[in-house]
Formats: sequence, structure tokens, C-alpha cells
Amino acid sequence: DGGITQSPKYLFRKEGQNVTLSCEQNLNHDAMYWYRQDPGQGLRLIYYSQIVNDFQKGDIAEGYSVSREKKESFPLTVTSAQKNPTAFYLCASRYLGTDTQYFGPGTRLTVL
Amino acid sequence: ELKVEQNPLFLSMQEGKNYTIYCNYSTTSDRLYWYRQDPGKSLESLFVLLSNGAVKQEGRLMASLDTKARLSTLHITAAVHDLSATYFCAVDEGYSGGSNYKLTFGKGTLLTVNP
Repeated sequence: DGGITQSPKYLFRKEGQNVTLSCEQNLNHDAMYWYRQDPGQGLRLIYYSQIVNDFQKGDIAEGYSVSREKKESFPLTVTSAQKNPTAFYLCASRYLGTDTQYFGPGTRLTVL
Repeated sequence: ELKVEQNPLFLSMQEGKNYTIYCNYSTTSDRLYWYRQDPGKSLESLFVLLSNGAVKQEGRLMASLDTKARLSTLHITAAVHDLSATYFCAVDEGYSGGSNYKLTFGKGTLLTVNP
């Protein structure tokens, strides 16, 4: 089945720890995106990447880092510098030349 | 900075009734997207509107785009319980060659359809 997978579905982190959220897609999409969603809020863009080995900051990149070593993978690291990391994190991807971003199932991160 | 405002943020309606959700945005854009989100789930793409005057319909939902007014509407006809969800509009900041297709989302409209 083609699609976007995110893991884990739920993640608990102690303050001061870095954690990495996985996003993989087998749709052969070129662009990949990370969004954060807080309760009752819309999505806010953290980072995005249009090609391998290249990525750009979104609106709320502070405290996060990404890599894009493979076309199908775009992991997000939430560092200890992120002051309020508890949120729902959504990964999306898009085939360049088309208009729609498709979203993965999300990872719910809770900081204890 | 692009701002996207949806209203209402909460909408409770009876089955069989009609209603409209509004999405206003602050800068020029010809590309607007509507998504649906069920509780605890991911986003599902509903409509992609790519030009002024674009209208798309799927079942009981119809979306339109007026780029001059910087306004999109999502009209619900004869609502049914299965339409209960949160609906988001998102605006593309740029679409010309080399665009990053960055989306700015509204806060969402929580729709509850009551029997």
C-alpha cells in the first residue's frame, strides 16, 4: 500500500530529552513537510524540504531540526530547546507539479 | 505575513439544515485548500481551488473561491451526522515557478451535526 507512515503514534518525553519523530513515504513524492497542531488550533509549519539534502525553516522552526538524506524519509528531532513541545505532529508530502499535500496519521508527543 | 481567518470557529447545526463556513485571507493568492479532520485523526483533502471563481462540489459540500475578495466558502447542504468534523482552510503563499507551496492554515471550524 502506498502512503505516509509516522512513528511512533504516541511518544512521551522527559524534559531535557531530545526525541526523533519518523516520517516515511513510498509515494515517490518530492516535497515533505512537518506541521505542529495544538488543541483548537490550525497547523503551523515547522520545516519543509523539496529535494534530498535540502530543507527550509517554516514559521516555528526554533527548537526543532530535520534531515533529508533519502527521498522517502524526513525525520524531525524535537530538541530540549523547544520550550513547549507537547503537541500533535503531522508530516505531509507532495509530488512536485501537483497541488495537494497528503498527510500522515500523526504523532502525539507529550512532555512529562 | 499571511493571515487566514475562519468563521465560525464552532458550528452546531441540525440534520437537514444548510450552512456556510467562511475563510478570509490577507494577501493575494490563487490557491486555497479545504481539509477535514476527524477527532484524533489526520487531515483528509477535500477540495483544491486554483483560480478565481473556482467551484468544486462533492456530495453535500461545495467550496468556492473569490480571489478578489480573498474569500472562500464551504457550503453544507442538508447536513448529516457523518459530516461532523473539524474543517480547515489553508492558503498557499505562492504558486509561481519555484514556489515552495507553503500552506498557512486557519484555526478550523468544529462542526457538530445533531439529529
